[in-house]
Amino acid sequence: AQSVSQHNHHVILSEAASLELGCNYSYGGTVNLFWYVQYPGQHLQLLLKYFSGDPLVKGIKGFEAEFIKSKFSFNLRKPSVQWSDTAEYFCAVNAGNTPLVFGKGTRLSVIA
Amino acid sequence: DTGVSQNPRHKITKRGQNVTFRCDPISEHNRLYWYRQTLGQGPEFLTYFQNEAQLEKSRLLSDRFSAERPKGSFSTLEIQRTEQGDSAMYLCASSLRTGTSSGDEKLFFGSGTQLSVL
Repeated sequence: AQSVSQHNHHVILSEAASLELGCNYSYGGTVNLFWYVQYPGQHLQLLLKYFSGDPLVKGIKGFEAEFIKSKFSFNLRKPSVQWSDTAEYFCAVNAGNTPLVFGKGTRLSVIA
Repeated sequence: DTGVSQNPRHKITKRGQNVTFRCDPISEHNRLYWYRQTLGQGPEFLTYFQNEAQLEKSRLLSDRFSAERPKGSFSTLEIQRTEQGDSAMYLCASSLRTGTSSGDEKLFFGSGTQLSVL
């Protein structure tokens, strides 16, 4: 079965700082990888996903993630965060026909 | 608005009571998922349907939990004899799965039903 580890529980950054949120998964086969975001008071929504091709994936709002197969990682990055990026970020994985498995999430607080 | 609707938004109940939640997915979506989320955790998979067929249930889903999706449209999740440990946010998501690759599948989540068992 797949599992996902998110290293940071809570990250606090100043506006314009660069962001990198760690995500590692455990599964030996081919996987699909996702980042979901939950803004305060809103539902979960897809930020970006990887399932084949270029391991550097670009998503909405300037976010990107890089799949490094040898490290079983799919870290999320953004060069310059804004106050509006304050949210909870979830990494998720699935394989074949299995349902999405989520990590515990990382809460990002961006301060002015 | 994602188009996935969940009712009620909040439910407070006493231990031992039965509760039922409803999820209305996006109309053309053939897959419907139930997840549970507690504070400080990510969503945990409970069960999912493809049209009206329930294809998989998690070991988290005890025999007090039952889910249905009659006619492949809306779904209900019932919890019988609720316990305090059932307190959580219950999330519904739907998707349109057309191919064999799960990478093509995009889940749309509802806002959830927050259950508090006293």
